[in-house]
Amino acid sequence: ETGVTQTPRHLVMGMTNKKSLKCEQHLGHNAMYWYKQSAKKPLELMFVYSLEERVENNSVPSRFSPECPNSSHLFLHLHTLQPEDSALYLCASSRLTSGATDTQYFGPGTRLTVL
Amino acid sequence: TQLLEQSPQFLSIQEGENLTVYCNSSSVFSSLQWYRQEPGEGPVLLVTVVTGGEVKKLKRLTFQFGDARKDSSLHITAAQPGDTGLYLCAGASSSNTGKLIFGQGTTLQVKP
Repeated sequence: ETGVTQTPRHLVMGMTNKKSLKCEQHLGHNAMYWYKQSAKKPLELMFVYSLEERVENNSVPSRFSPECPNSSHLFLHLHTLQPEDSALYLCASSRLTSGATDTQYFGPGTRLTVL
Repeated sequence: TQLLEQSPQFLSIQEGENLTVYCNSSSVFSSLQWYRQEPGEGPVLLVTVVTGGEVKKLKRLTFQFGDARKDSSLHITAAQPGDTGLYLCAGASSSNTGKLIFGQGTTLQVKP
């Protein structure tokens, strides 16, 4: 238990559906992250939020829409996804984004399958 | 673009054997972190190395950061089945934004 929870743990959706992934951290951190983990590829950073402001968007398609209503919660809204978007989506949090050695604590991930 | 090449990608060994995983880059990193990920879980931090040439030990695991801070290695002595998992190296961006660059990962299987 890392203090970062993600729901749902598994999600199957069609290409025309709209769904949301939720992440919650109980660590009092100021920064939150979304990563995509696909088979045989490195973890890809998607978005970074620091103090509820988006500070990084790694050229992610607009069919992925993040939302950070407060420092403890992070959402990833999904719509009109493609089969190649099927992956494990990981949320992480850290104390700060400015520290090179700040530890990122990961949630268990949401396994997404797009049919 | 900063990249981390991790090798080998897959490793299957018998209990009691030693192994080394390598993480290499042409870029300099402020620090390098090693994570272990088990199926159905997110990565869990094992260690962070910051200083060039630094060596850190965690029980049977030895981590080394290259002198030039471009590469790192993880050595496991007398591997146990409980060491089975995905090992990830991640370099912290030199621009100090907290952004991590991940290697592809090494899947380790230790057979009893």
